[in-house]
Formats: sequence, C-alpha cells, structure tokens
Amino acid sequence: QKEVEQNSGPLSVPEGAIASLNCTYSDRGSQSFFWYRQYSGKSPELIMSIYSNGDKEDGRFTAQLNKASQYVSLLIRDSQPSDSATYLCAVTVAGANNLFFGTGTRLTVIP
Amino acid sequence: DAGVIQSPRHEVTEMGQEVTLRCKPISGHNSLFWYRQTMMRGLELLIYFNNNVPIDDSGMPEDRFSAKMPNASFSTLKIQPSEPRDSAVYFCASSQLAGGFYEQYFGPGTRLTVT
Repeated sequence: QKEVEQNSGPLSVPEGAIASLNCTYSDRGSQSFFWYRQYSGKSPELIMSIYSNGDKEDGRFTAQLNKASQYVSLLIRDSQPSDSATYLCAVTVAGANNLFFGTGTRLTVIP
Repeated sequence: DAGVIQSPRHEVTEMGQEVTLRCKPISGHNSLFWYRQTMMRGLELLIYFNNNVPIDDSGMPEDRFSAKMPNASFSTLKIQPSEPRDSAVYFCASSQLAGGFYEQYFGPGTRLTVT
C-alpha cells in the first residue's frame, strides 16, 4: 500500500469554477501535510501546509484535513488558466521528517 | 533570500561517464533531500541528510549512486558510471528541523540526459 494516494486525473474545470483535489494517506501518525504545485518543466512549489484538523485558507486556496478519515484536500476557488498544473500531496510519517509524495493530480482550467 | 541553488541546470553526458550534481540549501536549513523525477516513476526520494548526516539512503538505486554533505551549505550527488536509465530531473530540497513543520523548498532541478 502506498503511503499517499491521489487521483492522477486529469481533472478539467472551467474558468471560475471550484477545483477539488483529494489525497488519502495510510500512516495514522502523520502530523504534517502539504500541497505542492508543479508547472510543466519546473520544480514543485509549496503552496499550502496544514497541521491540524479543519480548514486553512490562503487566498483562493483552502486546505482541508480530516485525520480521522485520513484524507486531505485542496480547494481552488475561482480557478484560473494559470492554475493549470500538477498538484502533489505530501505527508510526513511519525518519527521522520522526510515527505512522502503522491503521484500528483493534473489540473486543467479551461478558459 | 536565495532559494535552493542547484548546478548544473542541464547535463548531457555519455554512458559510462561520471556525473556530479551540486546543491546549496537555503541558509539556516539543516535538512537536505535529493529526489529524482521521471514520467514513469514520479518523484522519488533518493537520500536525505539531517545536520549533514545521512539518515535514509534506501532510495538510492544502486552502488553507482553516492551522495555527500561535507558541510551545512553544500551537497553533491554523484553517479559513476552513468547509464541511459539515469536520465531524469534531479531535485534538491531543503527544510528546517526545528519546530516540527518540515516544509521543504525545492531547487530548480538538474535535467540529466545520458546518451
């Protein structure tokens, strides 16, 4: 079983819509959760981190964490074509500071 | 502030040659990570260091790969001899250990092509 699972997509949404990206993880001891955005040919860029249950909002981005169900999600409101990228979910496991990455979900925002 | 610095940005070499990739972490960060990314395998952790000490090298593909971190501001990943299947983008990332937040910041990557 992989540590982190993501739907590979592709996920297509029209401009202005809400994009919803989901991620599940296997280690109940995980404490830190991250979303990275990666444009084609570029390196992963940290866009959100979340450490406690509930929602965390930053501009058009909202990260949601539910430790009981072992999932973390990212909502992108008012999606823009510039949001088109691959989104990687990453988590730590108990007792270590390295990240386990999902395979990523490719998002396309259609103008 | 300068981010993670990697060099070279592109490397083209012939099979059998030695390749050395370099990384300078963000100043003040004391954890450093080497990743490899391919279309087929995604983003793979090769090795990481805490306070210049290798913690987990289980992702290193084989003995042809080696990594060092002689001081807090420099690390190398060496492939000797290189093979065509080593062609990939190699990323270096760094983070802080203190606070338990572990946010990693990636460098621009080195695109390696082995012919």
